Amino acid sequence: GAVVSQHPSWVICKSGTSVKIECRSLDFQATTMFWYRQFPKQSLMLMATSNEGSKATYEQGVEKDKFLINHASLTLSTLTVTSAHPEDSSFYICSASSRGTSGSSLDEQYFGPGTRLTVT
Amino acid sequence: SQELEQSPQSLIVQEGKNLTINCTSSKTLYGLYWYKQKYGEGLIFLMMLQKGGEEKSHEKITAKLDEKKQQSSLHITASQPSHAGIYLCGADGGSNYKLTFGKGTLLTVNP
Repeated sequence: GAVVSQHPSWVICKSGTSVKIECRSLDFQATTMFWYRQFPKQSLMLMATSNEGSKATYEQGVEKDKFLINHASLTLSTLTVTSAHPEDSSFYICSASSRGTSGSSLDEQYFGPGTRLTVT
Repeated sequence: SQELEQSPQSLIVQEGKNLTINCTSSKTLYGLYWYKQKYGEGLIFLMMLQKGGEEKSHEKITAKLDEKKQQSSLHITASQPSHAGIYLCGADGGSNYKLTFGKGTLLTVNP
């Protein structure tokens, strides 16, 4: 199956600093990538959808200026948490799909291994 | 918005026992995905169901989608410790592949 990697797998940063998380599709071109956030013992919550070459679409309640998403190529999307605060500490997971959003049939999303962010 | 309810929230079984996890949607499902997650790790894709009445199996895991496409079940036969983890169902509401997830079912298999 398709492989999606994330880097770093875990990061600790100080409050007020910014941290960038990378999501890469290793063996396929991802026209669409999704960013999720997961709190302990809770489900995944979709934060935003990014399509290569265009602006990300953010879910309601997600601050676009705080969570900057860039999908500059078909194999790489980045999530930058700006001016991080302790409440941003969470597990961030990306997923990638090889079909565009205009596709008429479903295709599974391939998930990365996640990045644990701790803001002190 | 679409909501998924999973039951039970957690499950402890003895090795070798069968078990079933349910996922119920508030709306008709265009697609239903089952994933397994080890705590603090990414999701492993298990199966995807699209058609009403569809049933798929992989090794000892069987997933079904009801005819009305609002409920799915995941059945594990002769459970093993390797089956332990969090099982999540995800639903495609038909719009841009965005998935809505249930809260997950934590499965513990005791040897």
